[in-house]
Amino acid sequence: GQQVMQIPQYQHVQEGEDFTTYCNSSTTLSNIQWYKQRPGGHPVFLIQLVKSGEVKKQKRLTFQFGEAKKNSSLHITATQTTDVGTYFCAGRSSGSARQLTFGSGTQLTVLP
Amino acid sequence: GAVVSQHPSWVICKSGTSVKIECRSLDFQATTMFWYRQFPKQSLMLMATSNEGSKATYEQGVEKDKFLINHASLTLSTLTVTSAHPEDSSFYICSARDLDRGNEKLFFGSGTQLSVL
Repeated sequence: GQQVMQIPQYQHVQEGEDFTTYCNSSTTLSNIQWYKQRPGGHPVFLIQLVKSGEVKKQKRLTFQFGEAKKNSSLHITATQTTDVGTYFCAGRSSGSARQLTFGSGTQLTVLP
Repeated sequence: GAVVSQHPSWVICKSGTSVKIECRSLDFQATTMFWYRQFPKQSLMLMATSNEGSKATYEQGVEKDKFLINHASLTLSTLTVTSAHPEDSSFYICSARDLDRGNEKLFFGSGTQLSVL
């Protein structure tokens, strides 16, 4: 079945440093979604990428979808303490079942 | 890592019928599981928190008689959409916390796409 690997599992950064999390799928995806989960909360949808090679920005967050539609990344520039949380990617398969498979998440800690 | 299995992946049913969705934690015990609903391009919406051996806790606006949740064992929670109607068509997904691993990360099932005709 479809597998979505996400690295790293954990990341500690100093406030102001950049952060990147990577997502790799075993199969080609129709789209990929990114979520942020604050400590104690539930995942909140950030963005969806659909096109091959697509790049989208939300303020300090940059999302990329690979050319082969099998990998994606989320980059945060100049992290702030409000960025703390777990970031999940979720890939939608392109087959008839169109399953949504979540990555294991990257837990980001930002040290002041 | 921890694995959560959800079945079926997709289901098509006639209006008025009931549909059961299963969520299993395969390699850990989950005293608490969560059920979500997601509309296209929107965030996951928490429907209810499923507690092993006790009644589920429903979020405001979610009909407990419509969405029956049963968490009979430490590895299985089920969501039954009763008397389904076209407006119940949606993507349903479950998740569970593996507290034994020392963190609160959520592990998700693969989701169920429900289409009610």
